[in-house]
Amino acid sequence: EAAVTQSPRNKVAVTGGKVTLSCNQTNNHNNMYWYRQDTGHGLRLIHYSYGAGSTEKGDIPDGYKASRPSQENFSLILELATPSQTSVYFCASGNWGGGATQYFGPGTRLLVL
Amino acid sequence: GQQVKQSSPSLTVQEGGISILNCDYENDMFDYFAWYKKYPDNSPTLLISVRSNVDKREDGRLTVFLNKSGKHFSLHITASQPEDTAVYLCAAGYTGNYKYVFGAGTRLKVIA
Repeated sequence: EAAVTQSPRNKVAVTGGKVTLSCNQTNNHNNMYWYRQDTGHGLRLIHYSYGAGSTEKGDIPDGYKASRPSQENFSLILELATPSQTSVYFCASGNWGGGATQYFGPGTRLLVL
Repeated sequence: GQQVKQSSPSLTVQEGGISILNCDYENDMFDYFAWYKKYPDNSPTLLISVRSNVDKREDGRLTVFLNKSGKHFSLHITASQPEDTAVYLCAAGYTGNYKYVFGAGTRLKVIA
């Protein structure tokens, strides 16, 4: 079973503060993804990565940065958090070949006050 | 715009009946289609998927139908059970950029 972990699981931040969400996968997957889930929108892709050192903009990248320092780790960074970034964030990993299944982490619930 | 759309935000089905969930997409380049299941406060998990060279795939009570000319795919759940109650997310992807686009989800409720 694929293993994707996220930290923290819950976070309260202040407007204008910096927030870093971390994701770790132990499956040696090349691709990693950050999504946010909001009512009425499903999962929306923020940033993704093809491997260590690569980051790509997803469909809603504004206000977010990403970092992939290694195969295992992928971080999402909110330099200046805003209340509109209050959401549940999911990290996922997968390899496109052999089924293209995405394995999701447990999610991080972020509240920006 | 919405590249992947689930037109029904909710669906209620009688126990034992067939649940039919629908998804429409816009991008001709999509070549991978999947359905994920999500319980409240849990993460999505893959139910079933197909590549664009397949029109239909069955797995137990689940069947995915792909209509490429109509840019539409659906999930049929036969013998629906109360434990099927969840949010179902459709997703389409393109092997050219390894990106997925998800629909907004359909909340299925199976009642006894």
